[in-house]
Amino acid sequence: GQQVMQIPQYQHVQEGEDFTTYCNSSTTLSNIQWYKQRPGGHPVFLIQLVKSGEVKKQKRLTFQFGEAKKNSSLHITATQTTDVGTYFCAGVVSGNAGNNRKLIWGLGTSLAVNP
Amino acid sequence: GAVVSQHPSRVICKSGTSVKIECRSLDFQATTMFWYRQFPKQSLMLMATSNEGSKATYEQGVEKDKFLINHASLTLSTLTVTSAHPEDSSFYICSARDMGLPSNEQFFGPGTRLTVL
Repeated sequence: GQQVMQIPQYQHVQEGEDFTTYCNSSTTLSNIQWYKQRPGGHPVFLIQLVKSGEVKKQKRLTFQFGEAKKNSSLHITATQTTDVGTYFCAGVVSGNAGNNRKLIWGLGTSLAVNP
Repeated sequence: GAVVSQHPSRVICKSGTSVKIECRSLDFQATTMFWYRQFPKQSLMLMATSNEGSKATYEQGVEKDKFLINHASLTLSTLTVTSAHPEDSSFYICSARDMGLPSNEQFFGPGTRLTVL
């Protein structure tokens, strides 16, 4: 079936270090979204990437969508304790329509930041 | 931004009873809402896609007779866990798409923690 793999599953960093999480899809995606879930909270939308090779930045966060639209990454520069949470990627499979335009979710990367 | 509410936030019930969870889009209309469950430290598992005015689409392995979904209006979807058992204890989260936005982002409710004794 259609899958989105996400690595690493967990990451501990010292405050100030960089952090990257990677997503890889078994099929081409029409778009990929990134969400952040704080401990005890619910997922919050961060960004959507649509174009091949697209790069978007939000302050210290940089999001990339691969040329083949099968992989994506989220990079955080100089992590802060407020970055703690689980980051999920979720993609819509290219060509799917209607109810099949559901999001295929990665398993998430839990980030812990030591002050 | 768009707000989705969910009620109740927590519920504890006895085995065999039914529990209804409501998901409302407060400031936008949503023809499509999604129901997920999430176990501790795990990813979101899509249970079903709720469509206003029509039957929900269930994911493989999710029993439609056990998890009843009703999407009666453009702002409300309900999930009823029928004859709940301890293994149904989980975090249930709904999300909705804003019909007025071109993006596909989903707005999530705060979730409902269900504990079945």
